[in-house]
Amino acid sequence: LAKTTQPISMDSYEGQEVNITCSHNNIATNDYITWYQQFPSQGPRFIIQGYKTKVTNEVASLFIPADRKSSTLSLPRVSLSDTAVYYCLVGVAAGNKLTFGGGTRVLVKP
Amino acid sequence: GAVVSQHPSWVICKSGTSVKIECRSLDFQATTMFWYRQFPKQSLMLMATSNEGSKATYEQGVEKDKFLINHASLTLSTLTVTSAHPEDSSFYICSAMVAARTYEQYFGPGTRLTVT
Repeated sequence: LAKTTQPISMDSYEGQEVNITCSHNNIATNDYITWYQQFPSQGPRFIIQGYKTKVTNEVASLFIPADRKSSTLSLPRVSLSDTAVYYCLVGVAAGNKLTFGGGTRVLVKP
Repeated sequence: GAVVSQHPSWVICKSGTSVKIECRSLDFQATTMFWYRQFPKQSLMLMATSNEGSKATYEQGVEKDKFLINHASLTLSTLTVTSAHPEDSSFYICSAMVAARTYEQYFGPGTRLTVT
């Protein structure tokens, strides 16, 4: 299983863009990159998933360089409610287990 | 869509008793469900992988006789903590993999277990 490395914490202010980079140097050819958000005492919530280049949905963008050894989650114009822990996971499809790393604790300040 | 529920949301039990936690996929069929445990301020730790109709696969260090997992249907998996002790107090979270769509796991809201 590919190991991931993320910053432990990040502070930001309301309205700013937050970018969290995750390193996954030993990502395998079949691995996808998935990001989850978790609030205290809640289960993680799926944010976005990608394989290469750029993926965008209504809440975030995911940038993946050609070598796929890292990825960056971009949260545009964060609000106080975006304060949470964000996990980057790398894993293979169809039944393979995901291993959670330490995650990045994002604090959005007013 | 892709909603996963857990029951109960929190439970307090006495040391030595057993507790069952249910995980249900409400609007999809899940051939695979996963059980995690999370201690305060820590990341999620995978305990076991549960496949419908077969025995669960436990991660190294997780006692299969203590944490009984049953995945009897495509929408229900249960985790039973047997002879619970205070050190089993934790936040237990399940996730389900959508059978028709690969790569995505949907997580339940978690169950807070406190053993006194």
